[in-house]
This record gives sequence, C-alpha cells and structure tokens, in this order.
Amino acid sequence: GQNIDQPTEMTATEGAIVQINCTYQTSGFNGLFWYQQHAGEAPTFLSYNVLDGLEEKGRFSSFLSRSKGYSYLLLKELQMKDSASYLCAVMDSNYQLIWGAGTKLIIKP
Amino acid sequence: GAVVSQHPSWVICKSGTSVKIECRSLDFQATTMFWYRQFPKQSLMLMATSNEGSKATYEQGVEKDKFLINHASLTLSTLTVTSAHPEDSSFYICSGRTGETEAFFGQGTRLTVV
Repeated sequence: GQNIDQPTEMTATEGAIVQINCTYQTSGFNGLFWYQQHAGEAPTFLSYNVLDGLEEKGRFSSFLSRSKGYSYLLLKELQMKDSASYLCAVMDSNYQLIWGAGTKLIIKP
Repeated sequence: GAVVSQHPSWVICKSGTSVKIECRSLDFQATTMFWYRQFPKQSLMLMATSNEGSKATYEQGVEKDKFLINHASLTLSTLTVTSAHPEDSSFYICSGRTGETEAFFGQGTRLTVV
C-alpha cells in the first residue's frame, strides 16, 4: 500500500530551527510537496521537490532523497506565525497526491 | 501563485437539504479539480477527482449520488452535497491543477448540517 509518515506534533522555540521529517512508500514518484495549514484554513503551498537535494526558499528549505524515500522541511528563525500544521504529500505514478496526516508545529516564546 | 476562489466559505443548512459549493480558478485553467474533505484534526481526504468535461472519479467509500461533482468548464467546478445529514458536517476543500503542476487550493467551505 501507499504510506506517508510524519510526526504528529513538534514543539520549538521562537527564533530557533526545526526540521520536520517525512518518509514515504508510494507506487511511483512524481514529486513531493510541502504545504502549510493554519487551523480552519485551506493549505498553502510551500515547496516542491522532484530531484534529490536541498531547495531553499527564504526561511524554509526542503530536502529530498528519493533512494531513501525521505524528505524534510527545515524552518529557520521561527516566528510565532509559523505555528501551523505542515503537510507532506507525494505525487504517485498516476499523478495523484498521497497525503501525510500532517505535523502540528507549536512555537513557544 | 495561481488563485482558486471557493465559496461559500461557510454554510449552515438543515438536515435533508442540498448545498452547492463552487470553485473557480481565476487566473489559470484547471484541467483537473480535486475535492477533499477534512474532519477536525485529521488530514485531507480525497473525495473525488474530476477532469474538465468528464465524469468525476470517486474514491472508495464516497457516494457519487450524494456528492455530485460537475466540472463543466476549465474554470469552474461544483460539489453538491445532496440530502445533507449532520455527519456530512466537515471542511470541504477544492484544489485545481493544470497538467502535472502543484495544486492550488480554494479557501475551503465549512459545512454545518443541523
């Protein structure tokens, strides 16, 4: 079957760095997405990785290793507004998105 | 990024009535539209996938006669919840995509059936 695993919840301190991991097992791979979702709102797109390596975009970076079925989202200089759920999703061979359950990130002052 | 406009953002309806949710892609042509449902504290659950001009493909366990999806044009898709019941209360989100690009989400609709 297809499976996406990510931690249920993480806590970090304002100004610090946090890494949210995602491992996946899917039928085929056509890219991995990270989305941010604040409570009660729709997800917003953060990043897309299809090749191995690190993609940096401001305070957020995303890493992919296809051979290991592994990705992480790195958030630097954490701000209180970064408190949200972070969803990992993989596009399979049929170009369907398979979603992880999301990681709730709690930022403390 | 591209914009998907979804409305209403929230709706309360009586049990047994029908509710229509609209999603419009404002600055791109959504060849594929996805409809999701999200219960509190849970991940997005794909309900159905529709391609413009074709019948929607429903995920297992989703009743196609209850959740009517129409994707008549490249910029408009609708989801109609027919004969709604309290257990249909949820957050419904649409997502549009052109080709194999990332998907752009609507703002979501919070449906409460009383």
